[in-house]
Amino acid sequence: GAGVSQSPSNKVTEKGKDVELRCDPISGHTALYWYRQSLGQGLEFLIYFQGNSAPDKSGLPSDRFSAERTGGSVSTLTIQRTQQEDSAVYLCASRPPALDIQYFGAGTRLSVL
Amino acid sequence: AQKVTQAQTEISVVEKEDVTLDCVYETRDTTYYLFWYKQPPSGELVFLIRRNSFDEQNEISGRYSWNFQKSTSSFNFTITASQVVDSAVYFCALSVPNRDDKIIFGKGTRLHILP
Repeated sequence: GAGVSQSPSNKVTEKGKDVELRCDPISGHTALYWYRQSLGQGLEFLIYFQGNSAPDKSGLPSDRFSAERTGGSVSTLTIQRTQQEDSAVYLCASRPPALDIQYFGAGTRLSVL
Repeated sequence: AQKVTQAQTEISVVEKEDVTLDCVYETRDTTYYLFWYKQPPSGELVFLIRRNSFDEQNEISGRYSWNFQKSTSSFNFTITASQVVDSAVYFCALSVPNRDDKIIFGKGTRLHILP
């Protein structure tokens, strides 16, 4: 596709359930980023992939959060045992090689009841 | 540590007025990038501009212009002759290349253009 694609666009889950959020980056983009946008916290960096490896996981808020990327393309962000404070919009971005501009998807709005 | 401050939480102007969104940044690095992104109601962050720290030349793109001043660590964004479609949340951001590659965002300014 033309842009970064994220699915689902909306996800409602019950507290304690696991969720998986998916990101399809722009074709040819080697770097991929996850951010979280919540009220009062602005946009927070979560994790960054270069190819399939994640050199920077410093932003993951707890060990309930994990992410993987396979084939240098699709990435999945997994949140285990969701809590109400996990409710937010999760944004994915990708970046082409040798260019410091990140292009964002429309995000997944996660609501934990 | 890097920090981006957008002091204006929310601004409302009447259509066709000019409006300036303020951005002040902090970093000890000499090489860095500054960005502006627009987030319309659809939620997607739309890239508007990137400036590197060695290029203080102001830039104009249609009704948009940016004023970068290293002396005051500011990177302000002006919309001339605003239109209702400019209504969105605007984020100023900073990144340091060859370090951790993450973008540090300001809290954003919500802009309302009233018809």
